[in-house]
Amino acid sequence: KNEVEQSPQNLTAQEGEFITINCSYSVGISALHWLQQHPGGGIVSLFMLSSGKKKHGRLIATINIQEKHSSLHITASHPRDSAVYICAVSEYGNKLVFGAGTILRVKS
Amino acid sequence: GAVVSQHPSRVICKSGTSVKIECRSLDFQATTMFWYRQFPKKSLMLMATSNEGSKATYEQGVEKDKFLINHASLTLSTLTVTSAHPEDSSFYICSARGGSGSWTDTQYFGPGTRLTVL
Repeated sequence: KNEVEQSPQNLTAQEGEFITINCSYSVGISALHWLQQHPGGGIVSLFMLSSGKKKHGRLIATINIQEKHSSLHITASHPRDSAVYICAVSEYGNKLVFGAGTILRVKS
Repeated sequence: GAVVSQHPSRVICKSGTSVKIECRSLDFQATTMFWYRQFPKKSLMLMATSNEGSKATYEQGVEKDKFLINHASLTLSTLTVTSAHPEDSSFYICSARGGSGSWTDTQYFGPGTRLTVL
């Protein structure tokens, strides 16, 4: 079993839909990251959180430390949100452990 | 936000040659830089962690003599793939972390370098 599991693996949504991507992890962590990777490959860090909830524009990230679970929500989705969304956890120390990613496609 | 650049963005080389990839933090001092490798449709795998002025720490299974990492300054780290072979073809991504070097500092990712070895 991978230390970081994401679901779904693939997601197709219609423009305007509310989207949720889930991440579960099995190790003790100091922080959880949500990353976005566009088709060209470049990665953007969306959120780093260790508790509660964070919001940035149409993106919301939540984490439940007790349940070892995090969700990334996208409200009013748009085709430009199409990308791979990656959950990664920082174990105590330097390393990030990555989930396999969720491929999101938003159709207009 | 902070910017990390990588150069080149794409490189094609012949088998047996060496390729150097640069990772620069453009507007902050990176106490720690990370090098990752990503295979097609797979997630990132950490190759090594480098701290400025000291030797890189390689992950298990990564050959340090094949993937030479130099973090000579607080804004530049280089990864040299020596005697490249086709199986080294991959997408290489660096990230940089500044501040106090604590886990609370955000990692900023570079745009990646696609290496193709013929």
